[in-house]
Amino acid sequence: QSVLTQPPSVSAAPGQKVTISCSGSSSNIGNNYVSWYQQLPGTAPKLLIYENDKRPSGIPDRFSGSKSGTSATLGITGLQTGDEADFYCGTWDSSLSAVVFGGGTKLTVL
Amino acid sequence: QVQLQESGPGLVKASQTLSLTCTVSGGSFSSGTHFWSWIRQPAGKGLEWIGRIYSSGGTSYNPSLKSRVTMSVDTSKSHFSLKLSSVTAADTAVYFCARGLPYSNWFDPWGQGTLVTVSS
Repeated sequence: QSVLTQPPSVSAAPGQKVTISCSGSSSNIGNNYVSWYQQLPGTAPKLLIYENDKRPSGIPDRFSGSKSGTSATLGITGLQTGDEADFYCGTWDSSLSAVVFGGGTKLTVL
Repeated sequence: QVQLQESGPGLVKASQTLSLTCTVSGGSFSSGTHFWSWIRQPAGKGLEWIGRIYSSGGTSYNPSLKSRVTMSVDTSKSHFSLKLSSVTAADTAVYFCARGLPYSNWFDPWGQGTLVTVSS
């Protein structure tokens, strides 16, 4: 059971928009930065969003992040078949003194 | 740009110690502005943070693994290492090394990962 809760799967058609939620508590998301990672099949995770809503160089603006209270959301617009992957949220948990991740969400582009 | 590469045995016997090394290239390993982490992923499951080490040698471990984890760093070789003792089948996973930023706690880049299987 992960400390951060994500939906196991989401799906949408090409060109559409999808959001992935990440729910936590005051000891993690509520008081710490959230990051998001994309893991394509058979590869290492790749940083998509850091410090809640910032995109690293090279990440298209189709990807966006937001945080409100103890939840965070990853948004992806203009879906492409190449976006199919597992997505993970992560943050520091001040009570556990550890980095924690969500259980991951599998995106299917129908 | 910075690249990370894991290395080590792909097969470890139960009750023994898993040992992995992550070699960092293309950047300043000893700058102190980042930390270096190990993260693992059992097949078909999510990510688990194992711990982190600074180039100064300071460490922080996941409490769930703390009693079995030791990390070390060799700045002369630009690499850091993981030792996980008393392994069981539950430790079978792909092990990733990654660079992290203090306070923000995001990870970039990641190594490609190495599969470690614990055999009985």
